[in-house]
Amino acid sequence: GEDVEQSLFLSVREGDSSVINCTYTDSSSTYLYWYKQEPGAGLQLLTYIFSNMDMKQDQRLTVLLNKKDKHLSLRIADTQTGDSAIYFCAENGSSASKIIFGSGTRLSIRP
Amino acid sequence: DTEVTQTPKHLVMGMTNKKSLKCEQHMGHRAMYWYKQKAKKPPELMFVYSYEKLSINESVPSRFSPECPNSSLLNLHLHALQPEDSALYLCASSAGLSQPQHFGDGTRLSIL
Repeated sequence: GEDVEQSLFLSVREGDSSVINCTYTDSSSTYLYWYKQEPGAGLQLLTYIFSNMDMKQDQRLTVLLNKKDKHLSLRIADTQTGDSAIYFCAENGSSASKIIFGSGTRLSIRP
Repeated sequence: DTEVTQTPKHLVMGMTNKKSLKCEQHMGHRAMYWYKQKAKKPPELMFVYSYEKLSINESVPSRFSPECPNSSLLNLHLHALQPEDSALYLCASSAGLSQPQHFGDGTRLSIL
């Protein structure tokens, strides 16, 4: 079946880079997503990558996709306190309309 | 700020009440979604509308009744809810069914 896995917690020092990793099972995904959820808020579509791409960069964010290993990562450069949130990895799998979410990685920032 | 607007932000209701959650988007998206999110969990899909027609119902209890009056609006009518229905209800929209989904800030629902 379709499954997305990610670690539950990550703690980094302010100013360092954060790398959040994710593995997925469905190789038919068209898109792979990273969503950010701050406390008490909805999900913000942070970035996404087409399955035929290897890398996407958007300001401080870099997404890397390894299709062979079904591994997706999100790198946040120069991590700031405002980056504290839960980050969900997701894919649309074999269903065009249904997103499969990972459990979310809680990113905390140390001063 | 999100381009998907949900109202109300908070709702407290008794188990015998009838209330509605509303969602609006003006991005010209033709697919709209309802999700339920419990604390410390990822969102769970409830309903999908495509071109104002119900496309997916993820075996949601009939006490939740969705409605899509037009391409910009999505409602979720609530009746006789249970305490376990307390959650954050998220609306999302996308240009089409296979396109990236954009979420609203949600309605936090508490059932007494």
